[in-house]
Amino acid sequence: AQSVTQPDARVTVSEGASLQLRCKYSYSGTPYLFWYVQYPRQGLQLLLKYYSGDPVVQGVNGFEAEFSKSNSSFHLRKASVHWSDSAVYFCALSRTGGYKVVFGSGTRLLVSP
Amino acid sequence: NAGVIQTPRHKVTGKGQEATLWCEPISGHSAVFWYRQTIVQGLEFLTYFRNQAPIDDSGMPKERFSAQMPNQSHSTLKIQSTQPQDSAVYLCASSPLGVQNTLYFGAGTRLSVL
Repeated sequence: AQSVTQPDARVTVSEGASLQLRCKYSYSGTPYLFWYVQYPRQGLQLLLKYYSGDPVVQGVNGFEAEFSKSNSSFHLRKASVHWSDSAVYFCALSRTGGYKVVFGSGTRLLVSP
Repeated sequence: NAGVIQTPRHKVTGKGQEATLWCEPISGHSAVFWYRQTIVQGLEFLTYFRNQAPIDDSGMPKERFSAQMPNQSHSTLKIQSTQPQDSAVYLCASSPLGVQNTLYFGAGTRLSVL
């Protein structure tokens, strides 16, 4: 069975600072990996996804994530955060050929002025 | 493209009453998913339809929950005899087949059982 762990329930960063949100996964095969963002009273929106190729994948709004097979990780990064980035971020995984997407517990990001 | 539409946005029911939640997937998307979101459990998979056919309902509580997709333009999630523990945000998502599991979510229905 596959699983996703986001070890940080809450992260606070200052506006303009860099950001890393951590994601670890458990899956024996090659996973599809995703980062979604959820703004208040909205559904989840896809930021980026990875399956193969360059381990650094670019997403929307300046976000990127790096896949590491050796560390079973898929951390999300942004060079300079904006107050509007305050939201809950979910890391997710699905197995090759599967349809079910498994989500982590989410990390609430607060960007302080 | 209006995105995935869920109605109502908020539903309040009394304990023991029935609740029906509606989802209109993005036109052309062949896969429809229902998830439940709570603070304690996070995002839980409930059920999955592909081309309107029920494929996997392994996440559905067996006795009181049911889901249908009578046509390609809408799906319903019905909860009979609602209980306080059913209070949650129910999210519907659709996906075009062939685009590996990229889910497009609606804004959700917040169900409050009093």
